[in-house]
Amino acid sequence: QQQVKQSPQSLIVQKGGISIINCAYENTAFDYFPWYQQFPGKGPALLIAIRPDVSEKKEGRFTISFNKSAKQFSLHIMDSQPGDSATYFCAANHPSYDKVIFGPGTSLSVIP
Amino acid sequence: EAGVAQSPRYKIIEKRQSVAFWCNPISGHATLYWYQQILGQGPKLLIQFQNNGVVDDSQLPKDRFSAERLKGVDSTLKIQPAKLEDSAVYLCASSSRQGGEKLFFGSGTQLSVL
Repeated sequence: QQQVKQSPQSLIVQKGGISIINCAYENTAFDYFPWYQQFPGKGPALLIAIRPDVSEKKEGRFTISFNKSAKQFSLHIMDSQPGDSATYFCAANHPSYDKVIFGPGTSLSVIP
Repeated sequence: EAGVAQSPRYKIIEKRQSVAFWCNPISGHATLYWYQQILGQGPKLLIQFQNNGVVDDSQLPKDRFSAERLKGVDSTLKIQPAKLEDSAVYLCASSSRQGGEKLFFGSGTQLSVL
């Protein structure tokens, strides 16, 4: 199964709050899980990524939590800012096919 | 370092017409991808090149879409004839290594088929 599921579809968070986006996958062969951030009119840009041998990765205000047994991973944005308002895509890479599969995206709005 | 360049930025055509998109990847990046992003959805891979060879084109509608990567650098994606459902943003991405790690995307070409 080559699908990556993502929720919620949209999210509104107050400035300073925590934004949480969840993703799930079926194929245990996936070996790399990036998150991309996309602003209107721009292409996606890599935000943070994790491999399945690590349960958590933190870069500044962004943290990925990875649960290998549940085949789920999530993005946490601490102290969310209006500038974080964008669409976020989780993704997964299949090593045999060398192909990155994207989730459907979450539209995040951070309100003052 | 210059990013991935794409042109045109926008294109409006009528159905059954043809259209071509151009991509210039980051210098030295061997892997090049074309993605289709329909409004409200995640990018969907159409074709992947490694240098000038096709690695994966399983999701490319070959009856109407074609792509080439001349000399392993620039790439063009063509649609002929276009259908209404082809309206989307066409994103080009490149990577310095295989394994799908750290894709660099261009800003895309927004195609409207009327």
